[in-house]
Amino acid sequence: GAVVSQHPSRVICKSGTSVKIECRSLDFQATTMFWYRQFPKQSLMLMATSNEGSKATYEQGVEKDKFLINHASLTLSTLTVTSAHPEDSSFYICSASRVSNEQFFGPGTRLTVL
Amino acid sequence: GQQLNQSPQSMFIQEGEDVSMNCTSSSIFNTWLWYKQDPGEGPVLLIALYKAGELTSNGRLTAQFGITRKDSFLNISASIPSDVGIYFCAGRDNYGQNFVFGPGTRLSVLP
Repeated sequence: GAVVSQHPSRVICKSGTSVKIECRSLDFQATTMFWYRQFPKQSLMLMATSNEGSKATYEQGVEKDKFLINHASLTLSTLTVTSAHPEDSSFYICSASRVSNEQFFGPGTRLTVL
Repeated sequence: GQQLNQSPQSMFIQEGEDVSMNCTSSSIFNTWLWYKQDPGEGPVLLIALYKAGELTSNGRLTAQFGITRKDSFLNISASIPSDVGIYFCAGRDNYGQNFVFGPGTRLSVLP
């Protein structure tokens, strides 16, 4: 149990376009979902935390208008990178937390903005 | 804010050797998690610890929740090539919703 999926796994887009990444908890209801960004050879950087039905809480320095998060249900959260630029290229990973509080990570989405 | 330190930052060991790494915090935590991340993939939860002094095993992996509640250790016995990856610790206190992640320990296993 505790499987989290992400879609797509890889995306390449042109500068200026928007990209949506989906995160789903497949076999449990997630009380909270988290979005992280990871640069090569670095640790996970928390971008935002979201609870179903409420607005996401963004970490300091993360632009909420740039990274739109929607947590539509207890099993789905989406991250939309709006007007993407090359500096937004990164590995984006979501995680979902259940009542027992462990965080389970998705496989990640590699975004490349040309 | 809370910070976690992991040591060593990286290590190279021979296949078959035992590995030990640790994670220390500036504040007290009530939950510790250990993850392994393979290149290009998301972290996978290895072990979760909930009580000071707790010692938990998962196959060749053993992790302990430090008595001071400010540290945790992960040991890997008889390492094999597939143990290669980055190991992250994560901790959370009684008041936080989020886990704080350490910078990771990069493990390389030489054949």
